[in-house]
Amino acid sequence: EVQLVEFGGGLVQPGGSLRLSCAASGFTFRSFAMSWVRQAPGKGLEWVSGISGSGGNTYYADSVKGRFTISRDNSKNTVSLEMNSLRAEDTAVYYCGKHTGYTGYDPFDYWGQGTLVTVSS
Amino acid sequence: ETVLTQSPATLSVSPGERATLSCRASQSVGSSLAWYQQKPGQTPRLLIYSASTRATGLPDRFSASWSGTEFTLTISSLQSEDFAVYYCQQYNNWPPGTFGQGTKLEI
Repeated sequence: EVQLVEFGGGLVQPGGSLRLSCAASGFTFRSFAMSWVRQAPGKGLEWVSGISGSGGNTYYADSVKGRFTISRDNSKNTVSLEMNSLRAEDTAVYYCGKHTGYTGYDPFDYWGQGTLVTVSS
Repeated sequence: ETVLTQSPATLSVSPGERATLSCRASQSVGSSLAWYQQKPGQTPRLLIYSASTRATGLPDRFSASWSGTEFTLTISSLQSEDFAVYYCQQYNNWPPGTFGQGTKLEI
């Protein structure tokens, strides 16, 4: 059974940093691209960042480019999102999503339960 | 960036009726479009990929089609568990893997 469990969310002040992680199990982790998708309270889904199966290719939404860094550890089956210079508009539930393929040019077939990030003073 | 525009924003229908949801892409995405269902307090669920292929286990009352940059999700004979928010997502012009703004299907 595929499981994705996110952790690391919380309350942080504007300008602060936070690191999210997602622990994966139930599939051959290194064979699939992974992404982070966020959902602000009462809003729709916004893709944030993605990484290929090998970790050799990383991608970012313009809204987070230069502030967020995605990485993965295929030996530990984890994908992480380092978030710096956080803004109020980064407040959202952050979901870890598994792509159906290796590169990321494919949809998400599994999602974690999400972790809430609140940026507020 | 490819923009996906979903319509209507809210669709009010009765159980047993048919619902038709639309998603229009601002440029060609080929058939690289997915539909997701999200119920309150739950994570999104993949329904359709490659524009018209049902995900494993999806009831056949869900169907999808496309023509050019117009994509349609149809739910025939709505069941109570179908009332949710539906999102389309393109993954052809990735990154970013843009989502539509969602259609809320309500009673």
